[in-house]
Amino acid sequence: DAGVTQSPTHLIKTRGQQVTLRCSPISGHKSVSWYQQVLGQGPQFIFQYYEKEERGRGNFPDRFSARQFPNYSSELNVNALLLGDSALYLCASSLYSRNEAFFGQGTRLTVV
Amino acid sequence: GIQVEQSPPDLILQEGANSTLRCNFSDSVNNLQWFHQNPWGQLINLFYIPSGTKQNGRLSATTVATERYSLLYISSSQTTDSGVYFCAVVLFSGGYNKLIFGAGTRLAVHP
Repeated sequence: DAGVTQSPTHLIKTRGQQVTLRCSPISGHKSVSWYQQVLGQGPQFIFQYYEKEERGRGNFPDRFSARQFPNYSSELNVNALLLGDSALYLCASSLYSRNEAFFGQGTRLTVV
Repeated sequence: GIQVEQSPPDLILQEGANSTLRCNFSDSVNNLQWFHQNPWGQLINLFYIPSGTKQNGRLSATTVATERYSLLYISSSQTTDSGVYFCAVVLFSGGYNKLIFGAGTRLAVHP
């Protein structure tokens, strides 16, 4: 069975640009969450989507947005990139919004 | 907000040694997960454990929710156990679920 898949695995962007990261959840999972992990720290919650609706948002600026599609895959968008947005972005899926979370391999974003 | 503290921050072991990693949290939680982050960054699920004890091979975990801590035991460590171990408390509030992670324990197992 395929786990959570994320694309791309690595990405280099310039300050001010926009980026879109993609996530496909485990088959049958309806909930997708996004986390940001800065080097040397634990992941920080950005969003949770369940049944295509945003259910929760962490303490991140409006430059961060996301959406979930009818097939439950998800995209995370970050506008006006800053150097501080350089991080590993992790996607997690769960069966419903309250179940055990399973993570993808992440997208490593570098902003130069 | 809730605080999650892991100890020790760093741990160096010889292959075959046993170890105990600790996770303290400052408030009541709905659940708790332990993860191993491999060198490529992926978080591997180890345990989903709101209370009690679970075992999986050489690893076991115990959560005492009333005293707000969880322990991860690694027995007969192997070099492949190296990496960062995270505990994350699960909070369900306002209709959504989020994980709050500790800073991790970085484990290095030498042959």
